[in-house]
Amino acid sequence: DSGVTQTPKHLITATGQRVTLRCSPRSGDLSVYWYQQSLDQGLQFLIQYYNGEERAKGNILERFSAQQFPDLHSELNLSSLELGDSALYFCASSVENGGQGSFGEQFFGPGTRLTVL
Amino acid sequence: GENVEQHPSTLSVQEGDSAVIKCTYSDSASNYFPWYKQELGKGPQLIIDIRSNVGEKKDQRIAVTLNKTAKHFSLHITETQPEDSAVYFCAASIRKDSSYKLIFGSGTRLLVRP
Repeated sequence: DSGVTQTPKHLITATGQRVTLRCSPRSGDLSVYWYQQSLDQGLQFLIQYYNGEERAKGNILERFSAQQFPDLHSELNLSSLELGDSALYFCASSVENGGQGSFGEQFFGPGTRLTVL
Repeated sequence: GENVEQHPSTLSVQEGDSAVIKCTYSDSASNYFPWYKQELGKGPQLIIDIRSNVGEKKDQRIAVTLNKTAKHFSLHITETQPEDSAVYFCAASIRKDSSYKLIFGSGTRLLVRP
């Protein structure tokens, strides 16, 4: 158990709909990363938040957005869903303080499997 | 640009044999190299990592080696067991503006035959 929690585990919805995925980082971790993993594909970085602020963006579609709240949990919002958005969505957390001894180790949650019908 | 290449994409070994997965990174500023194991339907699990000031690290049956000059790093699993069957991802960490970014390889599907 990595200490990172994600809800829900599974989500089935229809095209055009909007969903919200939730992530709680490990205790003490300030940074949250979101990744998308399509069937038999690698991990595609979407976005990173650090202590409530957006830190880095990857291949995130304009239909997707995220935020990190004061209690450090994060939500990934996916709107106008398409069939191709069906994938596993992972959240990872990291201490990410940029200081001595920090190398950016990331710990992954169990993921949310999104199915768009 | 930043890139990590991983080989092979699939690897099948007999139980008890060794397995080796190799990665090459492009950014010489990378200083941290983790390996993740992903079992079916689960999230990637950090199994071992190595920092740029170390050439080799071992943890029981798994070991990682790093050649900074050649920008290569490898995962070695000895005495493989069926429960080692999974997808393995390598990654290289790059620090930019006080933030770290992990660049992942494309993954290796390891099958250990009983």
